[in-house]
Amino acid sequence: EDQVTQSPEALRLQEGESSSLNCSYTVSGLRGLFWYRQDPGKGPEFLFTLYSAGEEKEKERLKATLTKKESFLHITAPKPEDSATYLCAVGGNNRLAFGKGNQVVVIP
Amino acid sequence: DGGITQSPKYLFRKEGQNVTLSCEQNLNHDAMYWYRQDPGQGLRLIYYSQIVNDFQKGDIAEGYSVSREKKESFPLTVTSAQKNPTAFYLCASSIMDRVEQPQHFGDGTRLSIL
Repeated sequence: EDQVTQSPEALRLQEGESSSLNCSYTVSGLRGLFWYRQDPGKGPEFLFTLYSAGEEKEKERLKATLTKKESFLHITAPKPEDSATYLCAVGGNNRLAFGKGNQVVVIP
Repeated sequence: DGGITQSPKYLFRKEGQNVTLSCEQNLNHDAMYWYRQDPGQGLRLIYYSQIVNDFQKGDIAEGYSVSREKKESFPLTVTSAQKNPTAFYLCASSIMDRVEQPQHFGDGTRLSIL
């Protein structure tokens, strides 16, 4: 069974304090790893797809990286508007498996 | 703007009642999905459809039913057989039902019991 573990569950950051979120996975034959942002009461918003180890994607203050066992979402110099829950999902030989999310709060 | 529209945003169900959640997409996507989100849990797949007039059970299909009569629409019915329906329901779509393709989500329907 594919498994996705995200850590830390919750993170409080000062504005400008860079940090990283971790998504560890166990999957048979990784075919895609996805990061989403979810605001309270809203649906997940697609951020990135990563397909192979060593791949990196960037969008504004966010950078996603991938190894054979985990992915990191780096948040550089975060702003209060980066406060959200970040979801990781992996697709292998089975259907997409989601982690429980990293809840990020950025304090002004 | 292309996207996925879910309605209503909030829904209340009485005992013994069936309720239907609407999901419409104008992205021209073939595949559509229904997930359930509970606090502290990852999204769980209820039903999915790869193409019009076809759908498959996901991990937690008991107490739910769906139809896919049009490409754009994938309504979910929560039946009275679902004993714990209180949750946030998310509809998603993708170009085709392949795990390499990202899924795009609507803004959800929150279902509560009266």
